[in-house]
Amino acid sequence: DAGVIQSPRHEVTEMGQEVTLRCKPISGHNSLFWYRQTMMRGLELLIYFNNNVPIDDSGMPEDRFSAKMPNASFSTLKIQPSEPRDSAVYFCASSPDRLTYEQYFGPGTRLTVT
Amino acid sequence: QQQVKQSPQSLIVQKGGISIINCAYENTAFDYFPWYQQFPGKGPALLIAIRPDVSEKKEGRFTISFNKSAKQFSLHIMDSQPGDSATYFCAASMLGWDSNYQLIWGAGTKLIIKP
Repeated sequence: DAGVIQSPRHEVTEMGQEVTLRCKPISGHNSLFWYRQTMMRGLELLIYFNNNVPIDDSGMPEDRFSAKMPNASFSTLKIQPSEPRDSAVYFCASSPDRLTYEQYFGPGTRLTVT
Repeated sequence: QQQVKQSPQSLIVQKGGISIINCAYENTAFDYFPWYQQFPGKGPALLIAIRPDVSEKKEGRFTISFNKSAKQFSLHIMDSQPGDSATYFCAASMLGWDSNYQLIWGAGTKLIIKP
């Protein structure tokens, strides 16, 4: 079975540019999570969706960040404009439903903003 | 009250030794306590989990010890191997205000097993 798929795996961009990270959750999973991981702040939950609907975006750091889930098999996290402090590894995770504890993580996207 | 405090931040153990990572929480509404393992370049993956009605759970060389009264739980890795070198996260879960289960994460422990 395919796990959570993220693309790109690595992204290097210049400050001010728009960045779009993509995620395909495990088929049949109804909950999707976006996390950011840095050495300083550890693993931070940015936003999560249930049945394609954003439930809690209180972890999104600024208005420069936005996330969408147009259908059950695709989600994007967009940063516009990007800043050097956005450099981090961004993970997408999915879960079968809102009442299941286990989350299945993708391999992550390493973002570097210069 | 929503925090999970994890220690130590990093740990070096000799091959064959016992690795111990500790976590503490405040909110008694938490009802599920998983440990995730993360290798470099990979996402975290569920390793083992426990519910508060059980004091210990063992899976192979990995054991969770749970102390409900002290609001603490720990991961023990017996006969630690170089392949266990990874970052370990504890977490706690509860039903949130939105009727969704959320994971509250510890800060992580970087474990290095020396050959």
